Amino acid sequence: DAGVTQSPTHLIKTRGQQVTLRCSPKSGHDTVSWYQQALGQGPQFIFQYYEEEERQRGNFPDRFSGHQFPNYSSELNVNALLLGDSALYLCAQWEGSNQPQHFGDGTRLSIL
Amino acid sequence: DAKTTQPPSMDCAEGRAANLPCNHSTISGNEYVYWYRQIHSQGPQYIIHGLKNNETNEMASLIITEDRKSSTLILPHATLRDTAVYYCIVRPWEGGKLIFGQGTELSVKP
Repeated sequence: DAGVTQSPTHLIKTRGQQVTLRCSPKSGHDTVSWYQQALGQGPQFIFQYYEEEERQRGNFPDRFSGHQFPNYSSELNVNALLLGDSALYLCAQWEGSNQPQHFGDGTRLSIL
Repeated sequence: DAKTTQPPSMDCAEGRAANLPCNHSTISGNEYVYWYRQIHSQGPQYIIHGLKNNETNEMASLIITEDRKSSTLILPHATLRDTAVYYCIVRPWEGGKLIFGQGTELSVKP
């Protein structure tokens, strides 16, 4: 969606490596969520950050961690990469309440 | 698990209305119905949401049954660019997490 920028767009890593993915906000959106989308599946919720703290977490191991900066941008870190971590990683930002979340176009991560 | 049920696929002729159904029989009183779509290799795109009244915007109309147990997304004049996977999601107004199901793969054909 317009205004939510993710980088890089594509990334190739090998098993055991670590990766950092980045998300830049749409103006005024202070809550950020990260999702993992495997091929042929719907996105799965990883976690959500608000006011620089993790507020909600999905069923993902501790290898997945995140950070939110004062300007609301965010990073997703994945350690000890596994082949199964190959997926599209999506960032969504949200103004709160009943407003919709707006997604970036994701980072396509391939693990060799 | 997703709280919605959608048909896995549908076809629609270009220029005709596309009506995409969604069942959410266990929806709670504070949960909204959201619709997103995802075109290949892009992030999900927000379409519309509603609580209990029918809603319309420049993209689509959302019809929610009186008992709120089901809804229909209507694309009034489908084009080839509407070919995508459409996701129906229920979410409480204060909750940030979106739980996606498998969605409906809509194919608009000439």
